Amino acid sequence: DTEVTQTPKHLVMGMTNKKSLKCEQHMGHRAMYWYKQKAKKPPELMFVYSYEKLSINESVPSRFSPECPNSSLLNLHLHALQPEDSALYLCASSQARGFGTDTQYFGPGTRLTVL
Amino acid sequence: AQKITQTQPGMFVQEKEAVTLDCTYDTSDPSYGLFWYKQPSSGEMIFLIYQGSYDQQNATEGRYSLNFQKARKSANLVISASQLGDSAMYFCAMRESLQGAQKLVFGQGTRLTINP
Repeated sequence: DTEVTQTPKHLVMGMTNKKSLKCEQHMGHRAMYWYKQKAKKPPELMFVYSYEKLSINESVPSRFSPECPNSSLLNLHLHALQPEDSALYLCASSQARGFGTDTQYFGPGTRLTVL
Repeated sequence: AQKITQTQPGMFVQEKEAVTLDCTYDTSDPSYGLFWYKQPSSGEMIFLIYQGSYDQQNATEGRYSLNFQKARKSANLVISASQLGDSAMYFCAMRESLQGAQKLVFGQGTRLTINP
C-alpha cells in the first residue's frame, strides 16, 4: 500500500484565520515532506522531516509552521497567510534511506485559497 | 547544483501511439536517481518509474520505460500504446540526498494530451 492521505481536500481561509493541513501515512516511512505547487509550475519543497526531526527548511516564511507529532503524521499550521499563498499543498513520504529506490510517494494534496 | 530540463511544454498524441517525453539533467554527483511522476488534473503526483545512475539496464514498468543515456545525460520517458487516461502533466525529477532524507529537483513538466 503506497497511500498518503491529506485533509482537507479544499480549504478557503481569510488572512486573519488560523488553520492546519494534515497528512498521514502508514507505510513505515521515516521521512515526510511538504511541497507547495502553484498552477502550471513544478512542486517546490518547503520542509523535510527525517525521523521526526526537521532536517530541511527551504527558507519558508514563519506564517507556515510544520509539526511532526509522530512518524506517521505531519501537520502544517497556517497563520496570517497572504493571497499569494494560495496553491496546492502536497505532502509526501519516503523511507529516508536517501539512496537506491527510495521513492517519495505523494498524497492527493490540499487546494488552499486565501481571501 | 543539480538541474532538470524538460523542453516540451506540451505534446499532443493520438490514442494508441507511443510517445516519448524528453528529460535532460545536469549533475556532478556520480551517484544519482531519476524519477518520473504523472500529475492528472486532480493534483496527485503519481510515481511512475525510477532509474539509478548505476543501473545497467533501462527501467521498465508496464507501459512505461525509461530511455537512459548516461553519456548524454538524458532520461526520456517512453509510454507505449497511449490511452486517454494518460493525459496529464508529467514531471522528471532528480534526487539530491541530504541527511538521510532527499530533495527532489523537478523539471518544468510536459503536458501530454491524448486525442481519441
